Amino acid sequence: NAGVTQTPKFQVLKTGQSMTLQCAQDMNHNSMYWYRQDPGMGLRLIYYSASEGTTDKGEVPNGYNVSRLNKREFSLRLESAAPSQTSVYFCASSEWSLYGYTFGSGTRLTVV
Amino acid sequence: DAKTTQPPSMDCAEGRAANLPCNHSTISGNEYVYWYRQIHSQGPQYIIHGLKNNETNEMASLIITEDRKSSTLILPHATLRDTAVYYCIAIMDSSYKLIFGSGTRLLVRP
Repeated sequence: NAGVTQTPKFQVLKTGQSMTLQCAQDMNHNSMYWYRQDPGMGLRLIYYSASEGTTDKGEVPNGYNVSRLNKREFSLRLESAAPSQTSVYFCASSEWSLYGYTFGSGTRLTVV
Repeated sequence: DAKTTQPPSMDCAEGRAANLPCNHSTISGNEYVYWYRQIHSQGPQYIIHGLKNNETNEMASLIITEDRKSSTLILPHATLRDTAVYYCIAIMDSSYKLIFGSGTRLLVRP
């Protein structure tokens, strides 16, 4: 099925460890996004890529890096995980429209 | 993007209309009102959007006041599957990054 695929779905990290969250979309969308959602809160934008080759900071970029590997893939890296980064991470893609966002199923990350 | 204000929670009975308000008193003339919803930890789902005219689709209706300072999302016959968090976002259509607030948690009661 067409859509946004995130891996892994669950991850537990120790403080200070690093990891990369993967996201791929097969809809030929230009724009891709990474959000985080803490319990009981709304989504907050971490980074986004308006088009292949560009990335920009969102609302909460500290502690994260991103790579737009190609048009399909947009990865999020935590270089030194902290307990405050425990959250659900959503990747999304869109084709120049605010109503056409497609979200992945999320990655549940726990940092202990 | 204009700030939006929504009640933190609401409830309604199954089969009745759910009316979710949103205040966006500082909205500018070229900002649209978008509604998304998030059902139990899934990714958000687009519902509807509008500029100044009322809009209707198969999911919901959007009523925007004449001064555009507030709007109401109407789910005409709420079902248990409409239990979700509903986000109202005021944003320029030329933008391409959605910024979500805290939304309204709607509980549909049997």
